[in-house]
Amino acid sequence: AQSVSQHNHHVILSEAASLELGCNYSYGGTVNLFWYVQYPGQHLQLLLKYFSGDPLVKGIKGFEAEFIKNKFSFNLRKPSVQWSDTAEYFCAVNALVRSQGNLIFGKGTKLSVKP
Amino acid sequence: EAQVTQNPRYLITVTGKKLTVTCSQNMNHEYMSWYRQDPGLGLRQIYYSMNVEVTDKGDVPEGYKVSRKEKRNFPLILESPSPNQTSLYFCASSSRQAYNEQFFGPGTRLTVL
Repeated sequence: AQSVSQHNHHVILSEAASLELGCNYSYGGTVNLFWYVQYPGQHLQLLLKYFSGDPLVKGIKGFEAEFIKNKFSFNLRKPSVQWSDTAEYFCAVNALVRSQGNLIFGKGTKLSVKP
Repeated sequence: EAQVTQNPRYLITVTGKKLTVTCSQNMNHEYMSWYRQDPGLGLRQIYYSMNVEVTDKGDVPEGYKVSRKEKRNFPLILESPSPNQTSLYFCASSSRQAYNEQFFGPGTRLTVL
């Protein structure tokens, strides 16, 4: 069965530190990849997505992610985090051979940024 | 304003008492989904619908029902809720052209005693 693994449950950083959150998935075919962010008490918002083309994708608020096909990874990065980035981050995958609309989410990584 | 709305936002109920959580979107989206979010488990898809009268099971459908009689509405029905259905529920919608770019509702926190 498909799965999505997020390596870190909780990451604590100081402001201005660099961020990298790991995401690996377990499907070998064509996939669409996503990162969603959930700020405290809010619903999920799309941060960035990868469908095809350039494997380095840029999203909102200075986030980017790189799709490395042979590593089945889609890690999220930000060069310098801010206190306002404190949130939970979810990686999600849709394997295109499956029924459309079926997103598989990772368990999430909580990011706490200390001012 | 484009949005997905859910009602109620908070609900406390007792075991076995049927309940419905409504979901409505105003973006004319074909796809709609229900997820539950539990600590340490992330989001898991319950059911999804690709269009009116078309629904399919997600990864954790047991104990839930859905219907899609109109394009804008996708209610989640718990016929006989149990305590293990205590969770935070999210509805989401997306267009056929960008079916994976899902817009999420604000969530419904359900407690079953």
